[in-house]
Amino acid sequence: GDSVTQMEGPVTLSEEAFLTINCTYTATGYPSLFWYVQYPGEGLQLLLKATKADDKGSNKGFEATYRKETTSFHLEKGSVQVSDSAVYFCALSNSGSARQLTFGSGTQLTVLP
Amino acid sequence: DAGVIQSPRHEVTEMGQEVTLRCKPISGHNSLFWYRQTMMRGLELLIYFNNNVPIDDSGMPEDRFSAKMPNASFSTLKIQPSEPRDSAVYFCASSTGQGIDTQYFGPGTRLTVL
Repeated sequence: GDSVTQMEGPVTLSEEAFLTINCTYTATGYPSLFWYVQYPGEGLQLLLKATKADDKGSNKGFEATYRKETTSFHLEKGSVQVSDSAVYFCALSNSGSARQLTFGSGTQLTVLP
Repeated sequence: DAGVIQSPRHEVTEMGQEVTLRCKPISGHNSLFWYRQTMMRGLELLIYFNNNVPIDDSGMPEDRFSAKMPNASFSTLKIQPSEPRDSAVYFCASSTGQGIDTQYFGPGTRLTVL
């Protein structure tokens, strides 16, 4: 079945540091890929998405590129802020799975001032 | 748009009691999802509705859990009887049900069963 593997957390960075959170997936067909963010005490929010190979999703300074050859969708940001502290979830949606999302385990990011 | 609305935001109950969680999806969305989030198991899909019809309930842990969607603007998740291991945050999400879906999540209900 479909699965998503995220890098283990937690991740702690200083403000303005470079961020990478690794995400790889296993799926049949051509899934769409997503990054969701969960701020403390809130529900998940879509951060960015990509629907086909080589697409780059971007939002709020975050970027991720859909790499079919390496089955990866790594999240990056050039300069993190304290306000980026949250849990980040990688997910996929496979057209053969009734549009259900398969989530990774989440990566806790803490940014220190 | 008000977004996905869930109630209550917090629920504390005693083992054996019935618990009902409520969700109002975004107007015009045809798909609705119930998730459970715990530290041990992460985010789990419990059940998924499309056009008010349950499509996949394979994630419902056992018969104590039931979900209904009587109309397009309301869904409930019921646990009867509740047990301490049901303590978790329960999220409702909705999507258009078309194309490359983005799921929009509610704020969640934090359930504590004593």
